[in-house]
Amino acid sequence: QVQLQESGPGLVKPSQTLSLTCSVSGASISGGDYYWSWIRQHPGKGLEWIGYIYNSGRSSYYNPSLKSRVTISEDTSKNQFSLDLNSVTAADTAVYYCARERPAGILVDWGQGTLVTVSS
Amino acid sequence: EIVLTQSPGTLSLSPGERATLSCRASQSVGSSSLVWYQQRPGQAPRLVMYAASSRATGIPDRFSGSGSGTDFTLTISRLEPEDFAVYYCQQYGSSPWTFGQGTKVEIK
Repeated sequence: QVQLQESGPGLVKPSQTLSLTCSVSGASISGGDYYWSWIRQHPGKGLEWIGYIYNSGRSSYYNPSLKSRVTISEDTSKNQFSLDLNSVTAADTAVYYCARERPAGILVDWGQGTLVTVSS
Repeated sequence: EIVLTQSPGTLSLSPGERATLSCRASQSVGSSSLVWYQQRPGQAPRLVMYAASSRATGIPDRFSGSGSGTDFTLTISRLEPEDFAVYYCQQYGSSPWTFGQGTKVEIK
């Protein structure tokens, strides 16, 4: 059974960088069969797909609405992948989920999510 | 990007009743590339249906999906207590993947 777990600061100051890590167990992120994705959910709102990484970290794709501020990377030695979102504002306050994505577009396994609040 | 509109916003039903949820796309979703997720309070979304009509692993057969092009439907034939939740559709026919705003199925 594949399990994903997000970790990182729950509070980030405006203009700083939001950094989260997703630890994966039960599957290898370098296996090549799946994409590794980030999604967010604003409080009480719907879902927004952020982007994914695949091909052992050599390829990634980001939502154009966030592309200029987002980087997704992976650390295969730790079986983890990460999200960096820079220049954050209050509008980036959300629950952030990591997920395993069956190529392309089917989010088959999700982490429990972590709330990140952007506030001074 | 493709905009997905779900209706109704809230569905108030009793256990044992039939639920019909709609998802309409602003343009055709290629190859019926549409999924449905279930989200219970305080939990992550859970994959229910993919490719519009294929049930995900472990999903009971009271759940069914249909549709193509711009109109898709998720049907729950007889609601069980654990089915009361918010359901989201998502398209993966065209990047970026986009989600509907959700339909809440609540106990009447």
